[in-house]
Amino acid sequence: DIVMTQSPDSLAVSLGERATINCKSSQSVLYSSNNKNYLAWYQQKPGQPPKLLIYWASTRESGVPDRFSGSGSGTDFTLTISSLQREDFATYYCQQSYVTPFTFGPGTKVDIK
Amino acid sequence: EVQLVESGGGLVQPGRSLRLSCAASGFTFDDYAMHWVRQAPGKGLEWVSGISWNSGSIGYADSVKGRFTISRDNAKNSLYLQMNSLRAEDTALYYCAKDSNPRLRSPLFDYWGQGTLVTVSS
Repeated sequence: DIVMTQSPDSLAVSLGERATINCKSSQSVLYSSNNKNYLAWYQQKPGQPPKLLIYWASTRESGVPDRFSGSGSGTDFTLTISSLQREDFATYYCQQSYVTPFTFGPGTKVDIK
Repeated sequence: EVQLVESGGGLVQPGRSLRLSCAASGFTFDDYAMHWVRQAPGKGLEWVSGISWNSGSIGYADSVKGRFTISRDNAKNSLYLQMNSLRAEDTALYYCAKDSNPRLRSPLFDYWGQGTLVTVSS
């Protein structure tokens, strides 16, 4: 199974500041035939189901603000929130969709500083 | 508007069975693969199982393989999860999630239900 790790476990950020979350997969999730990384990011707020933010490592889902961006390739990925808004305080999960089982990272909780 | 409504959760003793259902609306159900994802209390997300649009391809997490069975009824726009030999570690909120693709390959979970809680305890 592909093991997903995230760092940090949590971070405290002030409104308007940048937040950076890292995700690492135990093997590459880059599909060479189409050069796509099968890595997605989800946001989950307390008491709510997760919400798809980014897929193929860097493509924003429709309706997701452009302050959210994803980058990386192969085994190392980053989610960046350029200027944190109050509604962005949540837990963020990366997930590989390269091969079953489709594993998630343990999550990174973003709190208000 | 896409809606996914899970039901069937509850308190069950270890070793017993439970069947979860997910009623889908607002999209053409048989155009998409569907999945179950669970979240233990205070913990992270775990993909449990997925099924392709025509039930031709099915996958399970190792933790539930041989005990859980996913199925779908496209005529009823419904997804199911039959859970047998339940264990305490199966206690979780079970989400039904729609895939953006028809096949069980490189899924994106673009819509989620609110979940149904399964508690396994004596």
